[in-house]
Amino acid sequence: EVQLVDSGGGFVKPGGSLRLSCAASGFSFSHAWMNWVRQAPGKGLDWVGRVKSNTDGGTSDYSALALGRFTISRDDSKATVYLEMNSLRTEDTAVYYCTTSLWFGDLRYDYWGQGTLVTVSS
Amino acid sequence: QPMLTQSSSASASLGSSVKLTCTLSSGHSNYIIAWHQQQPGKAPRYLMKLEGSGTYNKGSGVPDRFSGSSSGADRFLTISNLHLEDEADYYCETWDTYTRVFGTGTKVTVL
Repeated sequence: EVQLVDSGGGFVKPGGSLRLSCAASGFSFSHAWMNWVRQAPGKGLDWVGRVKSNTDGGTSDYSALALGRFTISRDDSKATVYLEMNSLRTEDTAVYYCTTSLWFGDLRYDYWGQGTLVTVSS
Repeated sequence: QPMLTQSSSASASLGSSVKLTCTLSSGHSNYIIAWHQQQPGKAPRYLMKLEGSGTYNKGSGVPDRFSGSSSGADRFLTISNLHLEDEADYYCETWDTYTRVFGTGTKVTVL
């Protein structure tokens, strides 16, 4: 069974930092591209960024909201993906979800973590 | 980059059908999309991948009541025989080489 378990959320002051983790199991993590998506209270889904598999270069891509402040990395030995967030702002308050798309030929199956809440407030 | 347009809300009676629309921006009408469901207070759940041809593949455990179709730049999600638990937000999503994009979501109310 595919599982993504998000953790690391909490309360942080503006300008602070936080590192989120997503522990994966039930699939070949080393071959998967891993994404972070966030959802501000009462709002829709926003893609934060992703890290490719190391076999595909292991590079990361970010949305405009994350560029320069957030870093996504992975540790295949722990089947875990990380979201390092710096210079946090009140508008970064959101539930952060880890998600992945598994492809089997043309068939795609997505999986989501349960989310972890980040609150940025003074 | 592609953009997606969804209406903000839709409603239909218990046991009836509702058809949601997601429209791709100009120049991106052939893009594949995905539909996700988010029930109140829960994490999103993947429903299906939907191609411009109308071909779709659903996620594990997604009921047969959920189906997809396409016409030009429009991608549709049809929910037949509405159940109370179908009351949720529905998001479409697409992607290109460097990014993923979500629509603003449609809130479905079951009357």
